[in-house]
Amino acid sequence: GAVVSQHPSRVICKSGTSVKIECRSLDFQATTMFWYRQFPKQSLMLMATSNEGSKATYEQGVEKDKFLINHASLTLSTLTVTSAHPEDSSFYICSASISYEQYFGPGTRLTVT
Amino acid sequence: EDKVVQSPLSLVVHEGDTVTLNCSYEVTNFRSLLWYKQEKKAPTFLFMLTSSGIEKKSGRLSSILDKKELFSILNITATQTGDSAVYLCAVEADSGGSNYKLTFGKGTLLTVNP
Repeated sequence: GAVVSQHPSRVICKSGTSVKIECRSLDFQATTMFWYRQFPKQSLMLMATSNEGSKATYEQGVEKDKFLINHASLTLSTLTVTSAHPEDSSFYICSASISYEQYFGPGTRLTVT
Repeated sequence: EDKVVQSPLSLVVHEGDTVTLNCSYEVTNFRSLLWYKQEKKAPTFLFMLTSSGIEKKSGRLSSILDKKELFSILNITATQTGDSAVYLCAVEADSGGSNYKLTFGKGTLLTVNP
């Protein structure tokens, strides 16, 4: 089956620093990757759709200058949380698509202190 | 704005019980409805439904879609403690061009007690 990895799985950073999260499709090429955020006991909220070689499409209310997305290749998308604040602490999940099926990565738990 | 509503939000049952989870939606350019199970990490895929009235089955789990009434149900029979999880319903819709996106419901937290 299609496998998506995320790195790191868990990160703790200080307020004001930037954090990069990688999402890789391991055994397939994904033209489209999606980034979600999930707060405790809440559902997944789509943050942005990332297409290889073009700018990401951000959902309403998501700051593109704060959440930088780079889809550099067909197997790698990165999400950089810039100048992180405690309210950015959340579970970030990526997914990669083949045709119309999405395969989720294991998620990254970000804690900003 | 696309909307997906799940009910109940939480449910506690005993092992062996049968449960029915509900998902209703209002979506423009519907493509499919998906069910996921989420334990501690990312969701794992259960079912994708695109056609009305056709039941999908996997072991003790089954699901069906009603595109006229805009809802789906997920049934779990003979529940086990390992079924304890959050069950997420998501609707896939075209968002323009060749793009599409998933809108998730808030999930149903199922707790199965021994």
